Amino acid sequence: QVQVVQSGAEVKKPGASVKVSCQTSGYTFTDYYMHWLRQAPGQGFEWMGWINPNTGDTNYAQKFQGRVTVTRDTSINTVYMELSRLTSDDTAVYYCARDGGFDIWGQGTRVTVSS
Amino acid sequence: DVVMTQSPLSLPVTLGQPASISCRSSLSLVHSDGDTYVSWFQQRPGQSPRRLIYKVSNRDSGVPDRFSGSGSGTDFTLRISRVEAEDVGVYYCMQSTHWPPWTFGQGTKVEIK
Repeated sequence: QVQVVQSGAEVKKPGASVKVSCQTSGYTFTDYYMHWLRQAPGQGFEWMGWINPNTGDTNYAQKFQGRVTVTRDTSINTVYMELSRLTSDDTAVYYCARDGGFDIWGQGTRVTVSS
Repeated sequence: DVVMTQSPLSLPVTLGQPASISCRSSLSLVHSDGDTYVSWFQQRPGQSPRRLIYKVSNRDSGVPDRFSGSGSGTDFTLRISRVEAEDVGVYYCMQSTHWPPWTFGQGTKVEIK
């Protein structure tokens, strides 16, 4: 069956970077774009960007331009999201979600930014 | 960006009773292809979101038929015909018509009275 499995929780210091992975299985990796979103504590969802796994083309929300990089490795059906220059405002659960209407979501990766 | 506004933000419901959540968008969500791309998601405590409804009224596979979606233009509704204990969680609407970005409502917390 279709599965999307994310990497584990991270604790980072302000100013550092974090890289979260999202490994897929059960479908053709290059057939669906992959989105990245985040959910701050007690808040709703914020779309960060997406990647075309076939071409590697990306599109980022204006808010994160220059700070977020989404990449993929087609050999292991995995998408990555790296966020740099972290601040406490970046403390959140980060999700990948398959395009096709956000029908499949990863389990989420908690990123805590604290000195 | 399209703003999605949900109401109420908190919804206490008696087991077996109906529940209704409203979602209004700042722009018409009718796409140039004629479809309207509004989805509803359920997020149970400690879980990732699960899509319930897509394109306003289409239920996802495995979603109980007590969940239904309706609406058009800028006004949309998610209804639960008879609330069960497993329906506790936060419900979000999302629009996929005008992107990027994809935008969500603030969420409606459904709890049992």
